[in-house]
Amino acid sequence: QVQLQESGPGLVKPSQTLSLTCTVSGASLNSGGYYVTWIRQHPGKGLEWIGYSYHSGTTYYNPSLKSRATVSLDTSKSQFSLKMNSVTAADTAVYYCARGVAGGDWFDYWGQGTLVTVSS
Amino acid sequence: DIQVTQSPSSLSASVGDRVSISCRASQSISTYLNWYQQKPGKAPKLLISAASRLQGGVPARFSGSGSGTDFTLTVSSLQPEDFASYHCQQSYELPWTFGQGTKVEMK
Repeated sequence: QVQLQESGPGLVKPSQTLSLTCTVSGASLNSGGYYVTWIRQHPGKGLEWIGYSYHSGTTYYNPSLKSRATVSLDTSKSQFSLKMNSVTAADTAVYYCARGVAGGDWFDYWGQGTLVTVSS
Repeated sequence: DIQVTQSPSSLSASVGDRVSISCRASQSISTYLNWYQQKPGKAPKLLISAASRLQGGVPARFSGSGSGTDFTLTVSSLQPEDFASYHCQQSYELPWTFGQGTKVEMK
């Protein structure tokens, strides 16, 4: 059973860096057929796609984030991290990691999500 | 970016009703359209991929149709566990984008 779990601080100060980790278990993402993606949901709003990383290190980010986001992989721990710098209150959201299926690019397994609040 | 517009933003329905949710893309996306169900406080769950491919374990009362710019998610007979929010997502072109969501509420 594929499982993803987000972890990280629930409170970040404005202008600082948001750091989250997604731990993947029950499946290997080495094949290239899958990748890890990050998605966020502002309170009471729709979903916003942030970016993805393949196991190979290939990444792509939503241009709307103005290069503030970075997704990286720790292969030894089967963990993908999301870092987002210069956060503001507008980055307050529930952050999800999910497994993307290459080719079709739908997201078939999701973590439970973690709320990150940006506040001083 | 490809804009994805869902309608309605909310709807009220009763158990047993047939419910349809629309998703319209700002340009043709072939069948690169996916549907998710989200319950309060939970992560989205993939229901349908590639416009009409039902995911394993998803009840057959859910169906998806459409291609090009217009897509529909239909629930043939609404069940109590189907009251939730539904999101569509285009995967034709990066950046992937979602509709704003449709909340299905009990009448």
